[in-house]
Amino acid sequence: GQNIDQPTEMTATEGAIVQINCTYQTSGFNGLFWYQQHAGEAPTFLSYNVLDGLEEKGRFSSFLSRSKGYSYLLLKELQMKDSASYLCAVRDENAGNMLTFGGGTRLMVKP
Amino acid sequence: KAGVTQTPRYLIKTRGQQVTLSCSPISGHRSVSWYQQTPGQGLQFLFEYFSETQRNKGNFPGRFSGRQFSNSRSEMNVSTLELGDSALYLCASSLLTGGSGYTFGSGTRLTVV
Repeated sequence: GQNIDQPTEMTATEGAIVQINCTYQTSGFNGLFWYQQHAGEAPTFLSYNVLDGLEEKGRFSSFLSRSKGYSYLLLKELQMKDSASYLCAVRDENAGNMLTFGGGTRLMVKP
Repeated sequence: KAGVTQTPRYLIKTRGQQVTLSCSPISGHRSVSWYQQTPGQGLQFLFEYFSETQRNKGNFPGRFSGRQFSNSRSEMNVSTLELGDSALYLCASSLLTGGSGYTFGSGTRLTVV
C-alpha cells in the first residue's frame, strides 16, 4: 500500500514564501503530483515530478527526492488567492499507475 | 474545449435509496476515474474506467459500482445509501490510463439524510 503524509493546515502572510511538505512510502514510485483545490471547486493540476530535483513554474516550484520519499511545494510572493488546499498525490506502477492522494494541506494566507 | 462535466452538482437522498452520478470527460479522453472526498479521509480512489473496461478498483464495498459507455461518459452508482456516503464525488478524465494529466470535474455533492 501507500502512505502519504502532509501537514493538515498552514498559515502564512501575504507576500511571504511558504513550503508545503509531503512524504510518501510506495513500492513502485512513478511520479508525484501537486494539485490546488479552492473550497467548493475541482482540484487543478499544479506540478509533476518524476525525477529528483526542482521544477519551477512561475511563483510555484516543486521539489522531489526519491531516495528520501520526500517532496515539497514552494509558493513565493503569496497572494490572498493562494488560500486553498494543496494535495500531494503519488502514482504507483505497482497499483495500476493510479494516483493516491494525501489528505491535503489547507493553506490560509493572511494580510 | 469543454471541461469535465459532472451532474448533478448537488443531491440529497435518504438512507437506503440508490443514486447514479454522471461524468462526461473532456472530448478525446478515454480514461475516467472516480474519487470520494470527505473532510476526514481526503480523496479516496473508487475506480477507473478505460475504453469501457474497469482498470482499477479502490477499497470500497460492492454497493459502489460504475460503468463507462462507448462515448467515454461514465456513471457511478451507489446502492443502499448510508449516512457515511455523504461526500463530494469527483470525476477525473485523462487521455491515457494511469493518472497522467488528470482534469477534474467540479464534483457532485451528495448528502444522505
